[in-house]
Amino acid sequence: LAKTTQPISMDSYEGQEVNITCSHNNIATNDYITWYQQFPSQGPRFIIQGYKTKVTNEVASLFIPADRKSSTLSLPRVSLSDTAVYYCLVAPDTGRRALTFGSGTRLQVQP
Amino acid sequence: GAGVSQSPSNKVTEKGKDVELRCDPISGHTALYWYRQRLGQGLEFLIYFQGNSAPDKSGLPSDRFSAERTGESVSTLTIQRTQQEDSAVYLCASSLVRGLEGYTFGSGTRLTVV
Repeated sequence: LAKTTQPISMDSYEGQEVNITCSHNNIATNDYITWYQQFPSQGPRFIIQGYKTKVTNEVASLFIPADRKSSTLSLPRVSLSDTAVYYCLVAPDTGRRALTFGSGTRLQVQP
Repeated sequence: GAGVSQSPSNKVTEKGKDVELRCDPISGHTALYWYRQRLGQGLEFLIYFQGNSAPDKSGLPSDRFSAERTGESVSTLTIQRTQQEDSAVYLCASSLVRGLEGYTFGSGTRLTVV
C-alpha cells in the first residue's frame, strides 16, 4: 500500500477555507485517494474519494494533480464543528482489504 | 440495523481478566474489520473478516487476542489476560465487498485496564 504523509496538525478560524495536503509519492496506477474524518469519541467516517483531477461533494473538494503524487482536501468556510482528525488513505478500490490509517491531521477551528 | 453497533461502549477491567467486545455490523455488509486506537494515535488494524472467515489476521498483537464472527453477522473480539497496554478504543467497521468509500465505523468500545 502507498505510504502517505500529511501534516500532524493545522489551526484555522471559522469561515476560512482549509486545505490539507497529503503526499503519496509511490501511488500505484489502480490506487484511489480517500479521505476520512474522525470526531472525538467516534469512529472515522468517509468524506470524499477521487482518482484524478477534481472531485466535489456537499462536504469538501478533492484536488489531485496530473502526477497523482499528492492530493489536497479543501474544506470551504470551516465552522467549529469541523474540528476533527482527517485521514488520507491510498489503496485500490477493490475491497477485500483493510484500510491502513496513518496518524492523520488534527484540525482545530477557533472562533 | 442502521449503523454499526458496538458494545459495551465503555469497559473497565482489572489486569489479568478476560474481556469480550461485541460488534453488530450493518445488515448485508459481508466484510468486517477490527481496529485499535490508542489515545491520540491513528488506527491500528487488527483483523478482517469476509463472511465468517478471517483472511487477514496479521494485525492481532499477540495470542491473547482472538476474534470470531457468526456468518455475516455479529463479531466478538476477545482479549485474554488483559494488560495495561491493551487500554485503547476498539473500533469495528463493516463494508460491502467492494469500494473504499463504503466503510462504516461504530463508535467503539473504550477499554481501560487497571
